Amino acid sequence: DAKTTQPNSMESNEEEPVHLPCNHSTISGTDYIHWYRQLPSQGPEYVIHGLTSNVNNRMASLAIAEDRKSSTLILHRATLRDAAVYYCILRPINYGQNFVFGPGTRLSVLP
Amino acid sequence: SAVISQKPSRDICQRGTSLTIQCQVDSQVTMMFWYRQQPGQSLTLIATANQGSEATYESGFVIDKFPISRPNLTFSTLTVSNMSPEDSSIYLCSVFGGDNQETQYFGPGTRLLVL
Repeated sequence: DAKTTQPNSMESNEEEPVHLPCNHSTISGTDYIHWYRQLPSQGPEYVIHGLTSNVNNRMASLAIAEDRKSSTLILHRATLRDAAVYYCILRPINYGQNFVFGPGTRLSVLP
Repeated sequence: SAVISQKPSRDICQRGTSLTIQCQVDSQVTMMFWYRQQPGQSLTLIATANQGSEATYESGFVIDKFPISRPNLTFSTLTVSNMSPEDSSIYLCSVFGGDNQETQYFGPGTRLLVL
């Protein structure tokens, strides 16, 4: 499996944008980039995913580098509820293969 | 989407005993996944459970320690056998869903403490 590298932790102030980076220099052409997050005392939940183009949804935006070797999850206005561990995961296009979770980035949001 | 419930939500058990964790999904799914999350750690896949066949275990996990049942397409159980304090973890059930089966959904987890 292609590997991802994320900072162990990040801090943000409430109502400010947050940019969570992920490096995946060994990504293959068929790997989708997925982001999940795990709120305290909950199971992980889907945030966003993409292949080549930038993606937006109601939760976040995903900016993918042109060479696809890195990506950034963008939370436009952090709230206290966004404090969680964020996982960047690569998954091949052949659906059915489970996600492999790395250590992720622990995001703290300060009031 | 898929809604997953787990029972029990938490338990405290004595070493040497066994605990069976139940996972119920609100839709029929082919594969169900069981994960373990040790304190302060990320998720590790234990096994994949397909209905009608034996579960497939990941390296480091064996059927005698973590027997799994999959009696139908909406239900599975994971048993943690002969428990020791090292088994204290959160155990999570997961399935795929979404338009192209590309999103993984997780249950709320079962918090297990072994004394």
